[in-house]
Amino acid sequence: EIVLTQSPATLSLSPGERATLSCRASQSVSTSVAWYQQSPGRAPRLLIYDTSNRATGIPARFSGSGSGTDFTLTISSLEPEDFVVYYCQQRNNWPRLYTFGQGTKLEIK
Amino acid sequence: EVQLLDSGGGLVQPGGSLRLSCAASGFTFRSYAMSWVRQVPGKGLEWVSTIRADGGLTYYADSVKGRFTISRDNSQSTMYLQMNSLRVEDTAVYYCAKEPIYCTTTTCYLDNWGQGTLVTVSS
Repeated sequence: EIVLTQSPATLSLSPGERATLSCRASQSVSTSVAWYQQSPGRAPRLLIYDTSNRATGIPARFSGSGSGTDFTLTISSLEPEDFVVYYCQQRNNWPRLYTFGQGTKLEIK
Repeated sequence: EVQLLDSGGGLVQPGGSLRLSCAASGFTFRSYAMSWVRQVPGKGLEWVSTIRADGGLTYYADSVKGRFTISRDNSQSTMYLQMNSLRVEDTAVYYCAKEPIYCTTTTCYLDNWGQGTLVTVSS
């Protein structure tokens, strides 16, 4: 069973700063990861797919990288609306089709 | 524009049943696999179930297997989740979500999500 561990659980930064969010898989089964952004009371929104591709309409300040078991979401210069929760996700076969990380909350310092 | 409209949530007693619906528009529904993902308020995301585009294959999380049934009506562009034998721990916001056209067993994601519908299981 694959487990995705996101770190840190909470990241405190200021607007304009660079954010680096980590997602580590317990096994190297899937070749890629997706990232989602979730604002309070809203549905998740796809940010990054296939590790490094930005979804439609996502600003260029968001980028993804990584391989094997270690993946990273980087926000180059934080905007006020970026201080929400981020989840990574992988596709598997068993025992569940989709595995999500537990989330990283980005908060204003 | 892709739109997914979740509905059918509400308050139900333990052991009861509920059917959720997801009405889709803005894309060729019959060509895409669809999923349900749930979220306990204040907690993380949990995959629940997926149905292939033609409805021929379905997948379930162990936590709901044997109690929940996913289905779809491609003529109505609607997906369903029949939830039976509901438990207190099934309380969550349930989201329907769409897969992209090309997925593999190890590479896929959910590119559009509904707004969610709250299911509360309580006596």
